Amino acid sequence: QQQVKQSPQSLIVQKGGISIINCAYENTAFDYFPWYQQFPGKGPALLIAIRPDVSEKKEGRFTISFNKSAKQFSLHIMDSQPGDSATYFCAASKGGSEKLVFGKGTKLTVNP
Amino acid sequence: NAGVTQTPKFQVLKTGQSMTLQCAQDMNHEYMSWYRQDPGMGLRLIHYSVGAGITDQGEVPNGYNVSRSTTEDFPLRLLSAAPSQTSVYFCASSWVRGETQYFGPGTRLLVL
Repeated sequence: QQQVKQSPQSLIVQKGGISIINCAYENTAFDYFPWYQQFPGKGPALLIAIRPDVSEKKEGRFTISFNKSAKQFSLHIMDSQPGDSATYFCAASKGGSEKLVFGKGTKLTVNP
Repeated sequence: NAGVTQTPKFQVLKTGQSMTLQCAQDMNHEYMSWYRQDPGMGLRLIHYSVGAGITDQGEVPNGYNVSRSTTEDFPLRLLSAAPSQTSVYFCASSWVRGETQYFGPGTRLLVL
């Protein structure tokens, strides 16, 4: 049973456009929702994270939107750049748990 | 501060061989995890540890063993390699349970 469903699998946007990646979760006990960015040949790195007590968190061009009632959260990349081309993973965990559950990933390509 | 280091970077094994993937971190993190990454499958948790001497199974533990004798090191052992274990393996560590994880650069394993 996949606990975090991520879409789309791949995404192509033009430079300057907005990239949107969506995730849906099932376990209402989840209370920590991070996004990881992974470049080819590298390990994932934390990009931005949110908790359910806020509906939105912004860091530079990256914004997480969180909808608790719909059990969904999304990553928005404004003014997308070719350097943003990478695979993005959403994840979730519940308080006190060592286990971070990952989505299957979205490969983002930003064309110049 | 090297962060999380993994060795080797790449390994080829024959079916039935055993080997140990090394992982070390110098951030004094209590929590360490092993993930495998396969195309279209995201990151799946193999084993994790909440401190020296304490380990537990993740989502896909079969065929793998771990031990944690020190805070710094968390090796992953393949007992009898199988082609299904061909994957990229990532070690991660975190300061707070279930939250920001710092990933190593990965070990690419090919089992023939």
